[in-house]
Amino acid sequence: GAVVSQHPSRVICKSGTSVKIECRSLDFQATTMFWYRQFPKKSLMLMATSNEGSKATYEQGVEKDKFLINHASLTLSTLTVTSAHPEDSSFYICSASSWPSGYEQYFGPGTRLTVT
Amino acid sequence: EDKVVQSPLSLVVHEGDTVTLNCSYEVTNFRSLLWYKQEKKAPTFLFMLTSSGIEKKSGRLSSILDKKELFSILNITATQTGDSAVYLCAVEDNNAGNMLTFGGGTRLMVKP
Repeated sequence: GAVVSQHPSRVICKSGTSVKIECRSLDFQATTMFWYRQFPKKSLMLMATSNEGSKATYEQGVEKDKFLINHASLTLSTLTVTSAHPEDSSFYICSASSWPSGYEQYFGPGTRLTVT
Repeated sequence: EDKVVQSPLSLVVHEGDTVTLNCSYEVTNFRSLLWYKQEKKAPTFLFMLTSSGIEKKSGRLSSILDKKELFSILNITATQTGDSAVYLCAVEDNNAGNMLTFGGGTRLMVKP
């Protein structure tokens, strides 16, 4: 099946710094990539949808200036958490789809971010 | 390397039928198994299973885990068209910061 990787798998950063998380589709072209944040009790919150070559669409309540998303190619999307705060500590998961509608999404393994 | 395999890949049933979705896994250091329902974009959390043999139930949905045989099943009884969705299974690994590994999902279609 299709493989999606994330890097790094875990990262620790200091408050006020920025951290970049990469999401790659390894064996298919991802027209659309999604970024999720996992909250306690295991619910997944969709943060934004990114389409290659265009600006990301953010869900309500997600600060686009804080969570910068770039989908520069059909195999790579990045999420940059700017001016990180301890409240941003979480598990960030991406998924990728070769369909604009998000049909058949393949999930990455997630990135554990800890902000100290 | 952690691995999650779901079966069947897709399933078409009629309203009122009962379905059983399967999830088998290999994980380095098992923490939990999670089931999600994905209708549009964001998966909705259904169950978290950590212990063998204890059934989790929510309405017409139920799930159970077998840690010896490394699998879980999700049952849906008296299916409705609103149950049509992709059902995802994921396992959480105690190593690497509780990394999640998702299965490929089972696409369920319930016809009237």
